[in-house]
Amino acid sequence: DAGITQSPRHKVTETGTPVTLRCHQTENHRYMYWYRQDPGHGLRLIHYSYGVKDTDKGEVSDGYSVSRSKTEDFLLTLESATSSQTSVYFCAIGVHGQGEDTQYFGPGTRLTVL
Amino acid sequence: GDSVTQMEGPVTLSEEAFLTINCTYTATGYPSLFWYVQYPGEGLQLLLKATKADDKGSNKGFEATYRKETTSFHLEKGSVQVSDSAVYFCALSEGSGGYQKVTFGIGTKLQVIP
Repeated sequence: DAGITQSPRHKVTETGTPVTLRCHQTENHRYMYWYRQDPGHGLRLIHYSYGVKDTDKGEVSDGYSVSRSKTEDFLLTLESATSSQTSVYFCAIGVHGQGEDTQYFGPGTRLTVL
Repeated sequence: GDSVTQMEGPVTLSEEAFLTINCTYTATGYPSLFWYVQYPGEGLQLLLKATKADDKGSNKGFEATYRKETTSFHLEKGSVQVSDSAVYFCALSEGSGGYQKVTFGIGTKLQVIP
């Protein structure tokens, strides 16, 4: 158990509304990541964070913003949700040290934008 | 850029059959290789990994060998069970001690029938 929780686990919203997804870790890891999972694409990186208030874009960052005000929390915001953002969103933490460089994933949030 | 190729499936096998899921990759450096498994409604779980050429990763009866000469990391299991039904993702990671750029395959769905 990597100690990662995501909330909410399911959400249905309407086009044009703002949505915030939360990722929480209990183990104080520096690196955190947000991915989206879509059929035929595997997982694609949206944004990542390398510390409090330190974030950077991934390959599919358009329409998304992130914030990290505490080590344990990484928030993903859709400022104005669109139907193309219907997806399953996964948060991951990067575990490093003692020969390990591995990402561990949360349980996911299924988002439907109508 | 980096890429990972695997068949999407579904792969349908009878219980106790031999499993092979092929994975090939292209990378600019010397990546680490991973197999993740996703059970229905859950997040990705690390199944096994290998960090250098000729390493064999193994877990729960699954194994895969890092083959640099053929740029492959095929997943095998000698006798599958119904409980192995899931989606399997091959992935490569570049970077150590900090930001990890992880490239995922599209995932292969495995269905095991009694």
